[in-house]
Amino acid sequence: AQKITQTQPGMFVQEKEAVTLDCTYDTSDPSYGLFWYKQPSSGEMIFLIYQGSYDQQNATEGRYSLNFQKARKSANLVISASQLGDSAMYFCAMREGPSNFGNEKLTFGTGTRLTIIP
Amino acid sequence: DARVTQTPRHKVTEMGQEVTMRCQPILGHNTVFWYRQTMMQGLELLAYFRNRAPLDDSGMPKDRFSAEMPDATLATLKIQPSEPRDSAVYFCASGLGGRTTGELFFGEGSRLTVL
Repeated sequence: AQKITQTQPGMFVQEKEAVTLDCTYDTSDPSYGLFWYKQPSSGEMIFLIYQGSYDQQNATEGRYSLNFQKARKSANLVISASQLGDSAMYFCAMREGPSNFGNEKLTFGTGTRLTIIP
Repeated sequence: DARVTQTPRHKVTEMGQEVTMRCQPILGHNTVFWYRQTMMQGLELLAYFRNRAPLDDSGMPKDRFSAEMPDATLATLKIQPSEPRDSAVYFCASGLGGRTTGELFFGEGSRLTVL
């Protein structure tokens, strides 16, 4: 079974609108971390936001927020007021287990290509 | 501005040749990862080091791939002999193990084309 599932291969969104990118995950470990990365056309992987499984509040970083629904095992990325520069691939990733020895590797989803339309 | 540095950025080689990719992790980071990105398979973990010791290389084809960390400032990924199916972008990432968040910082990648 896929550990990280991103069901939207591509999305088109009008500039200035909010966009939600879906991510569901599968783990039996009670301690885990969820990450979102952005990969623009230049190719680098840019860390956006992190959510820990025990965090009580949804993570936010500027225009990015993570809609964490633990019971549904979903960790959707919300981008508010989208900009042309947000056009990129977005990857959801998971670390299983607490962040200590031997648990630091990330498993990535297949990504969603977001295109912002002027 | 601390960043992970990878060389070469682009490499075109012929089948059967040896390829070595190098990575300089962020100073002070104690975990290093090699990921491979292809259209078909997405991002796959090839190797994972902590304090220079290999922890997981289960995703790496052992017959032709090898990964090492000769010192804390250098990680290498070697393919010998290379095959066309090895064509991909190879990313190195580093992190600070044990941190609560544990995000990884990626280099810009090495794009490998094997003809």
